[in-house]
Amino acid sequence: GESVGLHLPTLSVQEGDNSIINCAYSNSASDYFIWYKQESGKGPQFIIDIRSNMDKRQGQRVTVLLNKTVKHLSLQIAATQPGDSAVYFCAENRGGGSYIPTFGRGTSLIVHP
Amino acid sequence: DTAVSQTPKYLVTQMGNDKSIKCEQNLGHDTMYWYKQDSKKFLKIMFSYNNKELIINETVPNRFSPKSPDKAHLNLHINSLELGDSAVYFCASSFRTSEVGNEQFFGPGTRLTVL
Repeated sequence: GESVGLHLPTLSVQEGDNSIINCAYSNSASDYFIWYKQESGKGPQFIIDIRSNMDKRQGQRVTVLLNKTVKHLSLQIAATQPGDSAVYFCAENRGGGSYIPTFGRGTSLIVHP
Repeated sequence: DTAVSQTPKYLVTQMGNDKSIKCEQNLGHDTMYWYKQDSKKFLKIMFSYNNKELIINETVPNRFSPKSPDKAHLNLHINSLELGDSAVYFCASSFRTSEVGNEQFFGPGTRLTVL
């Protein structure tokens, strides 16, 4: 079965709010995690990544948090904008030299103006 | 200056036909992939090629045959198309070396509809 999953298939927020998208993974050996954003009709696009030796990484308006104890990953988007509306995927590399990511189910983020 | 391009963008065909999807990347990556995305948006890897050599074949029916003439191209040929093959197919590329991360760059997708 899948080792990467998402708690919320759809998340609706108001413009300006902060969004948090969650992801659970089951493989303790996973050493690299990526968040992708997929807009309608387009391919997934890299947002931010984090290695297993870190617990937090920040980008522009986005922050990824990694909790290895409970095997949980989250993506925080500050001041969410309508342009953030998309499907968000977390992906994990399973370690041991594996560079093939396993994608989670995806969460649809809907931002209301 | 498209990074990863795929053709065609849409493909509508009858069951039993044979079709091909082409993919090219101009990023200098050494690894390319094919993914299938179903109607529920689930992304499943099908194949991965590194420097023209097949690395991953994720239990894909042998009706699907990838071809990599060089490391910038990875084409997908599908024989005897079935209804269940209807999906969006994404090509992607990356560097294999974990030191630079494995961020994948995806193409725009090819929506295949089998009638």
